[in-house]
Amino acid sequence: GAVVSQHPSRVICKSGTSVKIECRSLDFQATTMFWYRQFPKQSLMLMATSNEGSKATYEQGVEKDKFLINHASLTLSTLTVTSAHPEDSSFYICSALDSNSNQPQHFGDGTRLSIL
Amino acid sequence: GQQLNQSPQSMFIQEGEDVSMNCTSSSIFNTWLWYKQDPGEGPVLLIALYKAGELTSNGRLTAQFGITRKDSFLNISASIPSDVGIYFCAGLSQGGSEKLVFGKGTKLTVNP
Repeated sequence: GAVVSQHPSRVICKSGTSVKIECRSLDFQATTMFWYRQFPKQSLMLMATSNEGSKATYEQGVEKDKFLINHASLTLSTLTVTSAHPEDSSFYICSALDSNSNQPQHFGDGTRLSIL
Repeated sequence: GQQLNQSPQSMFIQEGEDVSMNCTSSSIFNTWLWYKQDPGEGPVLLIALYKAGELTSNGRLTAQFGITRKDSFLNISASIPSDVGIYFCAGLSQGGSEKLVFGKGTKLTVNP
């Protein structure tokens, strides 16, 4: 089946550091990928829609200059949390839509980000 | 914005019991999805529903797409300990957007 790989699975870093998270579709092409954030005991909240070859579309309240998204190829989207602070600590999950199928989004296994 | 009301918020059951959870919305959705999430992992798709009134099974799981397109339920029969986890409903609305709206989740605990 379709596989989405997310890397790294866990990051612990100091406040002020920028952190890059990768989301790859391993066996399919994904024109569209999505980035979600999930706080403890809460649901997934969509942050932005990542579009291959164009700018990402951000949800209301999500700072585009803080959460930089790059979707440079049909199999890779990256999310960079710039100058991360403790309040950015969360579980970040990506998903990808198979461009050649009408199947629902396939989710990665998430990245646990902890900012000290 | 669109919201999904998922209930119950949590369930504590004995192994072997049946489970039922549901999602409702004031908005119409043209696709309903049910996911299971284990701790520290991403959601895994259990069942996808594409047609109003559709009833679909996946092993011990059965889900239905409400006829009004504003609700869906998920049943788990003869629960086992590995059913433990958080179950989310998600809806995809009309209009071509592929953005999913998630319910708040149902945390299931199964006592052996």
